[in-house]
Amino acid sequence: EAQVTQNPRYLITVTGKKLTVTCSQNMNHEYMSWYRQDPGLGLRQIYYSMNVEVTDKGDVPEGYKVSRKEKRNFPLILESPSPNQTSLYFCASSLVISGRAPQFFGPGTRLTVL
Amino acid sequence: AQTVTQSQPEMSVQEAETVTLSCTYDTSESDYYLFWYKQPPSRQMILVIRQEAYKQQNATENRFSVNFQKAAKSFSLKISDSQLGDAAMYFCAYRFTSGTYKYIFGTGTRLKVLA
Repeated sequence: EAQVTQNPRYLITVTGKKLTVTCSQNMNHEYMSWYRQDPGLGLRQIYYSMNVEVTDKGDVPEGYKVSRKEKRNFPLILESPSPNQTSLYFCASSLVISGRAPQFFGPGTRLTVL
Repeated sequence: AQTVTQSQPEMSVQEAETVTLSCTYDTSESDYYLFWYKQPPSRQMILVIRQEAYKQQNATENRFSVNFQKAAKSFSLKISDSQLGDAAMYFCAYRFTSGTYKYIFGTGTRLKVLA
């Protein structure tokens, strides 16, 4: 089944404790992206990647890191999480750079930073 | 900077009736893509419909259609024959043209469908 998977789905952590949220897709998509969703703010793009070893900042990259060493994986790293990073996080991927190709979204990761 | 505005935080529609969700955007680009995504209570993001800015014809997908007014920078979503399963949060999104994968989403409109 074609899908984007994220792990963990739920995470409660404490301020300053490094964490990684994994994202993997099995559709051989070149393009992957991370978003955070907050009430009243919609989805905001954190980072995106157009191919292996190619990443770029979205609108809210502060406090996050990403890497794209393999085509299928695009982990989101929070080196020193803070309470303002409590949010719902989505990973997404797309086959081609054409706007016609839809984004496939993962199921989301609910992160709480205490 | 590009922005996407959804001015209706919440809308209600009677089952089987028609509802229109509004979206406006601001851009200096001439070519771009626009999308509507649906997020039901399961939180899964589902593509509803998409529109290329260079196409004058409004996109249609079954009961969903858009009214794309490029000069007015407006991209509204019309849902016909509303069903209980249409109840969800709807997000309008703008995508920059080829060469980048940057998206801007609106803040969303929560649609309630009344039986």
